[in-house]
Amino acid sequence: RKEVEQDPGPFNVPEGATVAFNCTYSNSASQSFFWYRQDCRKEPKLLMSVYSSGNEDGRFTAQLNRASQYISLLIRDSKLSDSATYLCVVGNTGGFKTIFGAGTRLFVKA
Amino acid sequence: EPEVTQTPSHQVTQMGQEVILRCVPISNHLYFYWYRQILGQKVEFLVSFYNNEISEKSEIFDDQFSVERPDGSNFTLKIRSTKLEDSAMYFCASSGGQGEDIQYFGAGTRLSVL
Repeated sequence: RKEVEQDPGPFNVPEGATVAFNCTYSNSASQSFFWYRQDCRKEPKLLMSVYSSGNEDGRFTAQLNRASQYISLLIRDSKLSDSATYLCVVGNTGGFKTIFGAGTRLFVKA
Repeated sequence: EPEVTQTPSHQVTQMGQEVILRCVPISNHLYFYWYRQILGQKVEFLVSFYNNEISEKSEIFDDQFSVERPDGSNFTLKIRSTKLEDSAMYFCASSGGQGEDIQYFGAGTRLSVL
């Protein structure tokens, strides 16, 4: 089983659509969870941290289910500018080792 | 806004040569990382560094790789004898630590080994 596994994608959605990304992780001792976005040939940029209580930032909502070792990201009212690769990132205790999923590519079309 | 700075943006080298990739982390950060991303593949963890020593390293980070914080600002990744398969984008990241574990990434150095 991969350490961090994401939907393979790509996702092609029209503007205004709601899209959900899923991620699972294998190490039950993992302590920190993030969603990053990466534009083509650019560095990963933090989108949001993910907490067990769930968190929301505008159109973006992230959820963590520790029992199922599952992380999700929901994007509502998709914009053209949301087109990017979305990376699920999991860190071990202390954050010394961070594992990235392979990413899910999102294309939002007018 | 504070940022992580990496130089050079693109490094071209011959196979077998040594390269040093440089990074200036965010000034009050305590934890430093190197990652690589081969074109079209995922971001791979190489090494983390804290308190002047390696905290964790991946199986990719073999004897050909080393890291150093030679002064109070720079954090370097050295590849002793480059191979064709070392061609990739190398990202440096830093985090504040002590409960603040969000990592901020530099723009990367594209290494091309010929």
